[in-house]
Amino acid sequence: NAGVTQTPKFRVLKTGQSMTLLCAQDMNHEYMYWYRQDPGMGLRLIHYSVGEGTTAKGEVPDGYNVSRLKKQNFLLGLESAAPSQTSVYFCASRDRGGTDTQYFGPGTRLTVL
Amino acid sequence: GDSVTQMEGPVTLSEEAFLTINCTYTATGYPSLFWYVQYPGEGLQLLLKATKADDKGSNKGFEATYRKETTSFHLEKGSVQVSDSAVYFCATNQAGTALIFGKGTTLSVSS
Repeated sequence: NAGVTQTPKFRVLKTGQSMTLLCAQDMNHEYMYWYRQDPGMGLRLIHYSVGEGTTAKGEVPDGYNVSRLKKQNFLLGLESAAPSQTSVYFCASRDRGGTDTQYFGPGTRLTVL
Repeated sequence: GDSVTQMEGPVTLSEEAFLTINCTYTATGYPSLFWYVQYPGEGLQLLLKATKADDKGSNKGFEATYRKETTSFHLEKGSVQVSDSAVYFCATNQAGTALIFGKGTTLSVSS
C-alpha cells in the first residue's frame, strides 16, 4: 500500500517549457488535490477534483491545468512555465464520506529558471 | 472567507520544554480543525484533529482542544524531543472540499 505517490521528485525547467506532474493514489479515494507550498505562505490550493472526470479551481489556479481521467490519478500541467511557479507541489487525497483527513504525497520540488 | 492564523516562528526550545503553538480560525458553520506536521524533506502528515466544539485531539503526546468560544485550536506538548523538530500547520476544512492552512510554524528542539 503505497498511499499517495508523486512523480517526479525534482525537476528544473526553463521559462516557457511545459511539464506534467503525476499524482497517484491507491486508496480508492474520491477527492484529490494539488497544492503549492512557498516559504511563509503555507499551502495554497491550485486545483482539486471530487471524482473521475471532474475538476475545479482552487485559490491559485492561473498557469496550471489538471486532468482526472482515472480515479487513481490526478495530473497537474504547466503549459508555459514561469519563474513564479518555482515551488514545492503537493498532491493529496481523501475519501468522500466520513473522516475528512487528507493524505499527502512526498512532494515535487520544481525550479523554473 | 475562511482563514487560519497561527503564531509565527521559528520556535526554538530545549529538550523537555513545554510547547504551545497558537492557532485561531475564522469560518462559517462548524468546521473540523487539524494539525499537520511536516518533517524535513517530507510531505505533510496528520498529527491530530477535532471535529466539534470541546473535542480534544491527541497523538504522540501532542494535544489540541477545539474552542469555539475563542475560535482557537492551540497545539501543546508537555515535553518536546529533538525528534519533534518540524514545521507544524494548523488547518480547517472548507465546505467539505479542501483544507485551508495557516502559514506554518517551524519548531526547532535542541538537546
